[in-house]
Amino acid sequence: AQTVTQSQPEMSVQEAETVTLSCTYDTSESDYYLFWYKQPPSRQMILVIRQEAYKQQNATENRFSVNFQKAAKSFSLKISDSQLGDAAMYFCAYRSADGNQFYFGTGTSLTVIP
Amino acid sequence: KAGVTQTPRYLIKTRGQQVTLSCSPISGHRSVSWYQQTPGQGLQFLFEYFSETQRNKGNFPGRFSGRQFSNSRSEMNVSTLELGDSALYLCASSWTSGGAGGELFFGEGSRLTVL
Repeated sequence: AQTVTQSQPEMSVQEAETVTLSCTYDTSESDYYLFWYKQPPSRQMILVIRQEAYKQQNATENRFSVNFQKAAKSFSLKISDSQLGDAAMYFCAYRSADGNQFYFGTGTSLTVIP
Repeated sequence: KAGVTQTPRYLIKTRGQQVTLSCSPISGHRSVSWYQQTPGQGLQFLFEYFSETQRNKGNFPGRFSGRQFSNSRSEMNVSTLELGDSALYLCASSWTSGGAGGELFFGEGSRLTVL
């Protein structure tokens, strides 16, 4: 089975600064999808960004971007110009190309300091 | 368009009881997945239903079961509850099962406490 590892249980960042959350995964598949989800306190989980493994270009969504290193099986999330509303638990997730089962990491709790 | 709706939001049960959780997916979505979320464990996959058929099942005991109705609404049932079943149960829907795209849209979850 695929595994997803988030080695940073907690992170903090000053408002307006940049922070990078780490994620590594283990798979023998060549085609798959990677996701970052955000779960604010007591609120539902929402998709932040998605990366298709066959695309070499790193995905970007406004202030959120990823650094996808396929050979290293690394998928980090960079949040630029951090805002108070970015405070949340962030989950990295993996999904096979032909399945719908997601494998999640254990999450990184991000605190934004005013 | 309404999001994924889960009921009940909170419930308290005692050991040995059973519980049924309900999930209404986004209109048009035919895939419903269930995840168990506990502190330190992240999200663990329970099962996925697509067009009333279980497509995949995670590594949980047979006490955990589910079903999907013709309108895509889904229920999951946990029988003979144990203290370790205390968790946030998340339902997620998507319009496909596998293939390109296929992000999950999550509900707010049902928080189960077993005493």
